[in-house]
Amino acid sequence: KQEVTQIPAALSVPEGENLVLNCSFTDSAIYNLQWFRQDPGKGLTSLLLIQSSQREQTSGRLNASLDKSSGRSTLYIAASQPGDSATYLCASGGLISSGSARQLTFGSGTQLTVLP
Amino acid sequence: NAGVTQTPKFRVLKTGQSMTLLCAQDMNHEYMYWYRQDPGMGLRLIHYSVGEGTTAKGEVPDGYNVSRLKKQNFLLGLESAAPSQTSVYFCASSSGTAYGYTFGSGTRLTVV
Repeated sequence: KQEVTQIPAALSVPEGENLVLNCSFTDSAIYNLQWFRQDPGKGLTSLLLIQSSQREQTSGRLNASLDKSSGRSTLYIAASQPGDSATYLCASGGLISSGSARQLTFGSGTQLTVLP
Repeated sequence: NAGVTQTPKFRVLKTGQSMTLLCAQDMNHEYMYWYRQDPGMGLRLIHYSVGEGTTAKGEVPDGYNVSRLKKQNFLLGLESAAPSQTSVYFCASSSGTAYGYTFGSGTRLTVV
C-alpha cells in the first residue's frame, strides 16, 4: 500500500524567503505526482503535475521535482509572499489496490505561513 | 466556468438520517472520485467510477453508496448517517491516467 509523507508538517517563514517542501512515497510505481494548495475551509487547487517520465515542472515561482528511484518530490517556492500561506498537499497517482483504475494517495500536508 | 461543482456546501444531519451529495463536472471526464478529508488522516478514497454506469469501492467505502447514471454526475449517498461520517467530502474528476485531478470545493457534513 502506497504511503505518502510530507515533512515538515508546519513551516513559518518571513516574506521573501525561498523554501522547499518535501514529499516522500514508499512505492515508486507511480503514474505521476501532483501538488495541490488548500486554503482554510476551501477545496484543493492543483499547482503542478509531474508525469513519471519527467523530472520537474515549473509554474511561475513554483518548481516541483520528482525522483522516482528515491521516492521523493520537492516543491520549491521562490520569493515567498503572505498570499502563499496555505496547506500544501502532495499526492502520488498509482493503481487502486482493489481494481484497475488509478487513484491519488495523499500526504497529510505542510501548513505554510509566510509572515509579512 | 468549467470545473467540478458540489452540492450542498454544508449540511447537518441527525444520526440515522439519509442524504445524497451531488457532484457534477462539465469537462467530459471519464473518471470521478469521492474522497473524505479528516484531521490528521488526510484525504481517503471512498468510491470511484471509471465511466458512466460503473462504480467501485475505494479505501473506506463502508456506510456509503454511489451512482453514476450520467457521465457528468457522480452521487454519494449515506443511507443511515453516523457521527463517524462527520467530515469534509470532496469530489474529483480526471480524464485518464496521464492527467491530473480537478477537485470540487467540498461539502462539510456534520452528523449529530
